[in-house]
Amino acid sequence: DVKVTQSSRYLVKRTGEKVFLECVQDMDHENMFWYRQDPGLGLRLIYFSYDVKMKEKGDIPEGYSVSREKKERFSLILESASTNQTSMYLCASSLGIGTGTNIQYFGAGTRLSVL
Amino acid sequence: GENVEQHPSTLSVQEGDSAVIKCTYSDSASNYFPWYKQELGKRPQLIIDIRSNVGEKKDQRIAVTLNKTAKHFSLHITETQPEDSAVYFCAASISGGSNYKLTFGKGTLLTVNP
Repeated sequence: DVKVTQSSRYLVKRTGEKVFLECVQDMDHENMFWYRQDPGLGLRLIYFSYDVKMKEKGDIPEGYSVSREKKERFSLILESASTNQTSMYLCASSLGIGTGTNIQYFGAGTRLSVL
Repeated sequence: GENVEQHPSTLSVQEGDSAVIKCTYSDSASNYFPWYKQELGKRPQLIIDIRSNVGEKKDQRIAVTLNKTAKHFSLHITETQPEDSAVYFCAASISGGSNYKLTFGKGTLLTVNP
């Protein structure tokens, strides 16, 4: 059974703080994703990674960066948190290119509040 | 890039009725269409998917249909039950190529009233 674990369920941070959201998967998946979920806006892709140290911007990368030093871990970084980054953040992983499947497995989410 | 439109945004049905959620996509190269269900406070989970070489797929009370010509696909839930209440997301992707991203619709909140 695929397990995608996000380190925190709830986080409260101050404006201007540097924030790290961590995600770990245990199924040797090649691809990892960070989404932001807001009511009425669905799941919007922030960044994704298709290999260690490789990353690509998604649809809303502004204000975020990512790090993937190891295959199983993908971190989302808010360099200077702002109130408009208050949201639910979801991490996901999928097997890899050429495997014939794009099925994504999601973590439980981190609800971030920036005050 | 790909754009996925999903309708309706909310849907309320009586227990036992059927529910239909529709999605359209813009990129004719998309060939993989999954549906995810997200119960309140839970993570999204895949419930059914379809590839472009198939027109319909069924799994017990849920089915998905695909019309490649019109670029739309639909989720059908029959004999709805209260536990079907959730947000449902459709998505589109190009499977097997270099593009492994999923583009999601904005979601449909389904409420099944007992």
